[in-house]
Amino acid sequence: EVQLVQSGPEVKEPGESLKISCNGSGYDFATSWIGWVRQKPGKGLECLGIIYIGDSDTRYSPPFQGQANISADKSIPTAYLQWSSLKASDTAVYYCARWQRGPNAFDLWGQGTMVTVSS
Amino acid sequence: QSALTQPRSVSGSLGQSVTISCTGTGSDFDGYNYVSWYQQSPGKAPKLIIYDVTKRPSGVPDRFSGSRSGDRASLTVSGLQAEDEADYFCCSYAGMHRTFGGGTKLTVL
Repeated sequence: EVQLVQSGPEVKEPGESLKISCNGSGYDFATSWIGWVRQKPGKGLECLGIIYIGDSDTRYSPPFQGQANISADKSIPTAYLQWSSLKASDTAVYYCARWQRGPNAFDLWGQGTMVTVSS
Repeated sequence: QSALTQPRSVSGSLGQSVTISCTGTGSDFDGYNYVSWYQQSPGKAPKLIIYDVTKRPSGVPDRFSGSRSGDRASLTVSGLQAEDEADYFCCSYAGMHRTFGGGTKLTVL
């Protein structure tokens, strides 16, 4: 089955660091573009950026440059979204999704990782 | 890059048709036909239902159709069914930027 599987929910305090992950199966994950999409509670979707797993070429959406770090390890292969110092405003569901250049769309989505930042 | 503008909610009766609009600025669409639409049911991940303005992925019913005119893209759902009740998001890809709309809640009466 072609799917993206994300790491489980996280509860953190402000100022803590965090790294969440996304793995693909059923297709050649290492040659795909993977995007990270944020959805705050009751709100819309926002694309933080995308990364090519094969060489870690990363494209951030301008509003999110510097807010979180997108990375990948092609040897596993896995995509990551990382924060060095979380804020309460980072509370959201984070989805990884495959960006396909042919359809120019996110055609496959992970199940989402809920990140809660609260003191 | 501001979010694309969508109505917060639309509604229609079983069997009827509804249209959801998605409005951007000139740079959002930038002359390209890279508009996609996603359906999100409560507690679920989004699902791609339209790409390249008008195309449907395999398995998506032809009741879903997309169009675009200038700075406005639209999603039409014909023959409404109960399972169509969900949130719908548009997305544009232009100038290497991917911008989503704020989302529209479709209620089937």
